[in-house]
Amino acid sequence: QITLKESGPTLVKPTQTLTLTCTFSGFSLSASPVGVGWIRQPPGKALEWLAVIYWDDDKRYSPSLKSRLTITKDTSRNQVVLTMTKMDPVDTATYYCAHTYSDSWRRHFDNWGQGTLVIVSS
Amino acid sequence: QSVLTQPPSVSAAPGQKVTISCSGSSFNIGNNYVSWYQQLPGTAPKLLIYENNRRPSGIPDRFSGSKSGTSATLGITGLQTGDEADYYCGTWDNSLSAGGGVFGGGTKLTVL
Repeated sequence: QITLKESGPTLVKPTQTLTLTCTFSGFSLSASPVGVGWIRQPPGKALEWLAVIYWDDDKRYSPSLKSRLTITKDTSRNQVVLTMTKMDPVDTATYYCAHTYSDSWRRHFDNWGQGTLVIVSS
Repeated sequence: QSVLTQPPSVSAAPGQKVTISCSGSSFNIGNNYVSWYQQLPGTAPKLLIYENNRRPSGIPDRFSGSKSGTSATLGITGLQTGDEADYYCGTWDNSLSAGGGVFGGGTKLTVL
């Protein structure tokens, strides 16, 4: 059974750096063809794909946010960390992590965490 | 502004059928598999359809997916009040401006 859970601060100030951790179980991020991605959703708005990291440390980022995002993995602790710099109120959203694959034919997200709400406000 | 275009809302009566469209381009839908997600109010998205038309274990066959060219469609038959949710399409985008995953803007389904 695959489970994922996001953790991090609920409130961050503008210009600060956000660090979110995804702790997962039921799979290994050192085994092909596994990946973990991050998706966010501003209140009342659509899903936005942010970044993904794969078992072989391949990383992809949303082009519009690439300069602000860093995704890393700690396979020994079953964790994936997403950092986002220069936080702004428009970054207020629920942030989800989800399990995926690196195969070109199955890049869907089949298991999602419950999400964590991040509010950016001074 | 989402890369994939979905209608903002659709509605139908219980027991009826509804379809939700998702339009893209050759950079995304045209050359990649499409997935669909259901998001019930206040919950995380749930995978409904993957690889254009495959259903994960536990998803009833009332839900179906198809793809043609640069568009995809989600179909739901035998509508139930419990199907009221937001539905999102997703795929990969190979263009220089979006070398990663993309989602549609979401469609709110109302079961009248």
